[in-house]
Amino acid sequence: DAGVTQSPTHLIKTRGQQVTLRCSPKSGHDTVSWYQQALGQGPQFIFQYYEEEERQRGNFPDRFSGHQFPNYSSELNVNALLLGDSALYLCASSWDGVNTEAFFGQGTRLTVV
Amino acid sequence: GNSVTQMEGPVTLSEEAFLTINCTYTATGYPSLFWYVQYPGEGLQLLLKATKADDKGSNKGFEATYRKETTSFHLEKGSVQVSDSAVYFCALSDRGGGFKTIFGAGTRLFVKA
Repeated sequence: DAGVTQSPTHLIKTRGQQVTLRCSPKSGHDTVSWYQQALGQGPQFIFQYYEEEERQRGNFPDRFSGHQFPNYSSELNVNALLLGDSALYLCASSWDGVNTEAFFGQGTRLTVV
Repeated sequence: GNSVTQMEGPVTLSEEAFLTINCTYTATGYPSLFWYVQYPGEGLQLLLKATKADDKGSNKGFEATYRKETTSFHLEKGSVQVSDSAVYFCALSDRGGGFKTIFGAGTRLFVKA
């Protein structure tokens, strides 16, 4: 079992550009959540996808959008990148249910210059 | 809204010393509580969890007790090792780790040989 895999591992983009990050959940998991972790901070919840729909959303602007595919993999899209979007983006997968455990990927380090 | 506050780091200890990392939370209802660990260059790993008041989570010599009366979930280990050097995050979720999780800012632990 490969666990949660994210791609790419590192990315450098220019302010104003758009970026797409990808996540493959752990085998058997149907729910994917995305988090933003700024340097020296704890992860902040962006949104969660279940059954190909956004189920929960944190306090992030509409520039942040996502998608979940029928195979449960997911993408995070960020438009009109700002310098402040530079962070580690973490994907977490789980199966739907109360008190389940989330498994995290190693993250994508996004640098906006 | 829900929030988590944990002691600021870094915490520097000698090998075999006793570890305590304080964590308090604010939440409505009865959240699940977690400790995650993040090693350099890696994503988050669940260290332990507790889902109701007075539950004690434990793993790898670490333990924490869900104290509703003091809204606390302090992490302890009787004898730390160099390999325990990492960043530790306290977190809560209304319905379990598979749902929106609120993280503290993290506490960096350095263990010296």
